[in-house]
Amino acid sequence: EDKVVQSPLSLVVHEGDTVTLNCSYEVTNFRSLLWYKQEKKAPTFLFMLTSSGIEKKSGRLSSILDKKELSSILNITATQTGDSAIYLCAVEAIANAGKSTFGDGTTLTVKP
Amino acid sequence: NAGVMQNPRHLVRRRGQEARLRCSPMKGHSHVYWYRQLPEEGLKFMVYLQKENIIDESGMPKERFSAEFPKEGPSILRIQQVVRGDSAAYFCASSEGKNTEAFFGQGTRLTVV
Repeated sequence: EDKVVQSPLSLVVHEGDTVTLNCSYEVTNFRSLLWYKQEKKAPTFLFMLTSSGIEKKSGRLSSILDKKELSSILNITATQTGDSAIYLCAVEAIANAGKSTFGDGTTLTVKP
Repeated sequence: NAGVMQNPRHLVRRRGQEARLRCSPMKGHSHVYWYRQLPEEGLKFMVYLQKENIIDESGMPKERFSAEFPKEGPSILRIQQVVRGDSAAYFCASSEGKNTEAFFGQGTRLTVV
């Protein structure tokens, strides 16, 4: 059974700090790893990673996949209060494209 | 282009009643996925449907839960004889194809009293 574990479960930082969120996975026939940001509504898509070692970047957020270590990190630099959310990591298997297995998420709180 | 629309946003049902949750995918999307999120947990896959077909229902509880995506109209997730443990947020996502990005709706928060 596919499995995703995220750490830490929760994190409290101050504005301006840099955070690193971790995601490790077990999946048969890996296809992709996805990161989502969930505030009090729908998860919004951040990144899809399929290749190891290639960093994806969007503003202050970046993410990279390590297929050897079966893990990914999500970095947020110069955090702002608006970054407070649950960050979800998910994986997809080749045979089950469309069916994502999610981790329990990391709850990030950014204090002013 | 409206996003994925779910309704109702909030639904309260008494134990034993039926709950019907609706999901209208984004325009042009023919793939729909339902997920359930219990408090303090991540999203758990329930079912994947294409128009008129259930592709993968491996995450659906064996009893009381059913889903459909008819040729016309929204996808429906139906929960019969609800119990307190069914209280959760139910999210729908849609995608254009099997290997394309999925977009999530705002979710329906079901509370069983």
